Amino acid sequence: DTEVTQTPKHLVMGMTNKKSLKCEQHMGHRAMYWYKQKAKKPPELMFVYSYEKLSINESVPSRFSPECPNSSLLNLHLHALQPEDSALYLCASSLDGGGGGYTFGSGTRLTVV
Amino acid sequence: GQQVMQIPQYQHVQEGEDFTTYCNSSTTLSNIQWYKQRPGGHPVFLIQLVKSGEVKKQKRLTFQFGEAKKNSSLHITATQTTDVGTYFCAGFLPGAGSYQLTFGKGTKLSVIP
Repeated sequence: DTEVTQTPKHLVMGMTNKKSLKCEQHMGHRAMYWYKQKAKKPPELMFVYSYEKLSINESVPSRFSPECPNSSLLNLHLHALQPEDSALYLCASSLDGGGGGYTFGSGTRLTVV
Repeated sequence: GQQVMQIPQYQHVQEGEDFTTYCNSSTTLSNIQWYKQRPGGHPVFLIQLVKSGEVKKQKRLTFQFGEAKKNSSLHITATQTTDVGTYFCAGFLPGAGSYQLTFGKGTKLSVIP
């Protein structure tokens, strides 16, 4: 299995809703990432988990809450989002830090209304 | 702040013409990675360059890493419509963690049949 699987592919949520994005990989990668990508922009790093521990939080607002239940799963819990949070949320994984290509999932296209 | 610069932002070519995108950093990079994102898709890892002056080829794609490890290029020979997409370079900036892959702004390639 050489894929990163993200669900759902599309999500529309209200500003008072709570939802979760899910990501799964079975490549034995020990680093997992959440990126946010706005239209016509590059991916921007949000969170990094290394060996199931949160190692980087790029000053992301607390309405985004990551979770890594085990080495294969990564969640992003969403609460009280704003319309400007609408974007493509990409999960990625890599064997480890410091080099080696990232494998990206197909993303969750999130719309906050 | 430190960043990875990429030019041009857009490139329109006739099918069969060549295409080149350039990536520059003000600081030395440990390595440089290249990704391709098709319209509506997700970034796909193409290659990683590590050594000073390194040149790698993948069919019609040629990747170069500068001698000072501050710049890189991707050259596509005889473009095809399947080459359409946005090409991103990405690197680990000095002082940033080994998990903080920073993307250039990308070059969007359009191929006119």
